[in-house]
Amino acid sequence: GAVVSQHPSRVICKSGTSVKIECRSLDFQATTMFWYRQFPKQSLMLMATSNEGSKATYEQGVEKDKFLINHASLTLSTLTVTSAHPEDSSFYICSARSPTGNRNNEQFFGPGTRLTVL
Amino acid sequence: AQKITQTQPGMFVQEKEAVTLDCTYDTSDQSYGLFWYKQPSSGEMIFLIYQGSYDEQNATEGRYSLNFQKARKSANLVISASQLGDSAMYFCAMREDTGGFKTIFGAGTRLFVKA
Repeated sequence: GAVVSQHPSRVICKSGTSVKIECRSLDFQATTMFWYRQFPKQSLMLMATSNEGSKATYEQGVEKDKFLINHASLTLSTLTVTSAHPEDSSFYICSARSPTGNRNNEQFFGPGTRLTVL
Repeated sequence: AQKITQTQPGMFVQEKEAVTLDCTYDTSDQSYGLFWYKQPSSGEMIFLIYQGSYDEQNATEGRYSLNFQKARKSANLVISASQLGDSAMYFCAMREDTGGFKTIFGAGTRLFVKA
């Protein structure tokens, strides 16, 4: 199956700093990538949909200036958490979708990035 | 608005027994997809099974089967012959086929398999 990687897998930062998380599709071209966050013992909440070469579409309640998303190529999307605060500590998961050869229009998930803001 | 409901926060099953995890959904779309994912403590999302809204037969993948009742808008997951390694969080998800193929997730069910 298709492989999606995320980097870093775990990051600890000080409050007020910015953190960038990368999501890469390794063996396919992803026209669309999705970013989710997951708090402990909770479900995945969609933050935004990222299409290559265009601005991301954010879900209601997600601050676009706080969570900057860039999808500069067909294999890479980045999520930057700006001026991070302890309440931004969470598990961030990306997924990627390819329109070709994808019978179920399935998304392929990355392994996640655990962000801890001190 | 689309919605996914999983009413069982936690379930216990004896090893080698079958278990059903419930999922109901709400959508006005005619075309959609339903997924089940397993999330172990490592956090990775493991795809288990898929059912398209136009598929007439229930999906099966090994020990996993999806009991799809379209009129009732339910998509329950059945795990047969439970194994200790099945202990994990299970999420039901729905993908819309209009406006970007977004996928939304239910609250999840934590499954505990007892030896």
